[in-house]
Amino acid sequence: DAGVIQSPRHEVTEMGQEVTLRCKPISGHDYLFWYRQTMMRGLELLIYFNNNVPIDDSGMPEDRFSAKMPNASFSTLKIQPSEPRDSAVYFCASSLTGGQPQHFGDGTRLSIL
Amino acid sequence: GESVGLHLPTLSVQEGDNSIINCAYSNSASDYFIWYKQESGKGPQFIIDIRSNMDKRQGQRVTVLLNKTVKHLSLQIAATQPGDSAVYFCAENTGTYKYIFGTGTRLKVLA
Repeated sequence: DAGVIQSPRHEVTEMGQEVTLRCKPISGHDYLFWYRQTMMRGLELLIYFNNNVPIDDSGMPEDRFSAKMPNASFSTLKIQPSEPRDSAVYFCASSLTGGQPQHFGDGTRLSIL
Repeated sequence: GESVGLHLPTLSVQEGDNSIINCAYSNSASDYFIWYKQESGKGPQFIIDIRSNMDKRQGQRVTVLLNKTVKHLSLQIAATQPGDSAVYFCAENTGTYKYIFGTGTRLKVLA
């Protein structure tokens, strides 16, 4: 079975540029989560969706960050404009229901110069 | 996919010995707990979970113990192998589908 698929695996760009991270959850999973992982703050939840609807975006750091889920098989996390402090590994995860284990993708390593 | 780097607590264990990784959780209302394993360059991988109505659960070579009195969770790995080397996270869920992840423990298996 295919797991959660994220792209790109690595992204290096200059500050001020728009960055779009992509995620394909596991088929049939109703919940999708976006996380950010840094050395200083560990793993932080940014936003999660249920049946393509954003439920809680309280973890989104600021208005520069936005996330969409246009259908059950695709989600994007966008940063515009990007800043060096956005450098981190961004993970997408999905779960069958809200109260079950999340399955993580292998992440996108983002470096903003 | 390294997580918390320089300040991660590290547990070094001889191959074949048992490992015990501990986690203190924060919310007494948390009712569901998960242990994840994260290898370098990869996302966290589910190992085992436990609900608050249990105090012990066993899987293949792994056991999770839950002590709600002191808000403590532990992961025991039997006969630790080189492939067990990774960072291990506990995660707690307070019933809102938002998980709080611990800072992680790095397990090093010595040959």
